[in-house]
Amino acid sequence: DQQVKQNSPSLSVQEGRISILNCDYTNSMFDYFLWYKKYPAEGPTFLISISSIKDKNEDGRFTVFLNKSAKHLSLHIVPSQPGDSAVYFCAASAGHKLVFGAGTILRVKS
Amino acid sequence: NAGVTQTPKFQVLKTGQSMTLQCAQDMNHEYMSWYRQDPGMGLRLIHYSVGAGITDQGEVPNGYNVSRSTTEDFPLRLLSAAPSQTSVYFCASSYSGEGYSGNTIYFGEGSWLTVV
Repeated sequence: DQQVKQNSPSLSVQEGRISILNCDYTNSMFDYFLWYKKYPAEGPTFLISISSIKDKNEDGRFTVFLNKSAKHLSLHIVPSQPGDSAVYFCAASAGHKLVFGAGTILRVKS
Repeated sequence: NAGVTQTPKFQVLKTGQSMTLQCAQDMNHEYMSWYRQDPGMGLRLIHYSVGAGITDQGEVPNGYNVSRSTTEDFPLRLLSAAPSQTSVYFCASSYSGEGYSGNTIYFGEGSWLTVV
């Protein structure tokens, strides 16, 4: 039973437009939610996180929104750039153990 | 600063063989873990350690063994390789002190393992 779900396997966006990646979770005990970015043949790299007590966190072009009542979070990338093309993993933290979603492949077309 | 270093990067094993994936970190992190990544399933936790001499099982521990004799190293052993263990393996480490906010988990570059 997947506790963290990313229902969109892929997303294609035009350069300069907004990319919205979605994630749903089932466990109310998660204390942090994170987004990781992964390029081929590399390890995941941390992108942005949000505490379970907040509803928004912003870092430059990246904003994460958390809706606890819906158990849903989303990552907004504005404006999208070709270099943003990668696999994006949503993860939820229970202490230091991360539970990952299956990932969404983002393609930003120039 | 090397961060998290994994070796080997690529390995092909025959069914039944054993091997060890090495992981070392130079950040003095207390917490280390191993994940495997399979298509359509994200990364799943195999084993983790909260400090030298302490290890515990994650979500998919069967067929794997770990030990943590030093803070720096956290090797993952495949005791008798099976084709189902064909995967990409990632080692991770993190700081476990106050102020942890989920953003201090660092991953190695991965080890691609094929079992034939």
